[in-house]
Amino acid sequence: AQKVTQAQTEISVVEKEDVTLDCVYETRDTTYYLFWYKQPPSGELVFLIRRNSFDEQNEISGRYSWNFQKSTSSFNFTITASQVVDSAVYFCALSEADAGNNRKLIWGLGTSLAVNP
Amino acid sequence: DAGITQSPRHKVTETGTPVTLRCHQTENHRYMYWYRQDPGHGLRLIHYSYGVKDTDKGEVSDGYSVSRSKTEDFLLTLESATSSQTSVYFCAISEQLAGGGGEQFFGPGTRLTVL
Repeated sequence: AQKVTQAQTEISVVEKEDVTLDCVYETRDTTYYLFWYKQPPSGELVFLIRRNSFDEQNEISGRYSWNFQKSTSSFNFTITASQVVDSAVYFCALSEADAGNNRKLIWGLGTSLAVNP
Repeated sequence: DAGITQSPRHKVTETGTPVTLRCHQTENHRYMYWYRQDPGHGLRLIHYSYGVKDTDKGEVSDGYSVSRSKTEDFLLTLESATSSQTSVYFCAISEQLAGGGGEQFFGPGTRLTVL
């Protein structure tokens, strides 16, 4: 069965520290997509990134970077020089196709990140 | 931001009453999803739709039904609400890319309390 594991339930760091959020997935598909979402204390769910299984290049967007490694089935997310505004729950997700090839997402349980001043 | 609205945003109801939540999109996306979010459980898929009148069950569909008579609207109905259905409900929309895997965009959520 397809599965997403975010082993870190909660992480607490001090502002300006770097922090890495882990995501490990299981899939039998050869083509798949991975996602990260952010849910700040206000409650909305914000899309951060999509990565397809054929593109193992790391991605950087400002202080955010993502490391995709098929060999270890991991798609980790690093925040450099963390800020209080980064405090949120972060979700990793994996695309899954149903019998009609319609896509759903399999979600990890999330990692709650607290950045303290 | 994707044009997705949910109504109502907050609702308190009593056990045994029917409740309908509405999701409305202005993006003309094919796929629509209903999730519930509870502490310790992350996001769980209730039902999803891949076109008008085309719907399917997710992992926690018992006690819920859905309808989609127009591209822009996806309704979630609790036929007889129970306290276990107290939750935050999110609607999401997406398009499917060639090869699958379009990102989902979420509505603001509906906080439902069943007393």
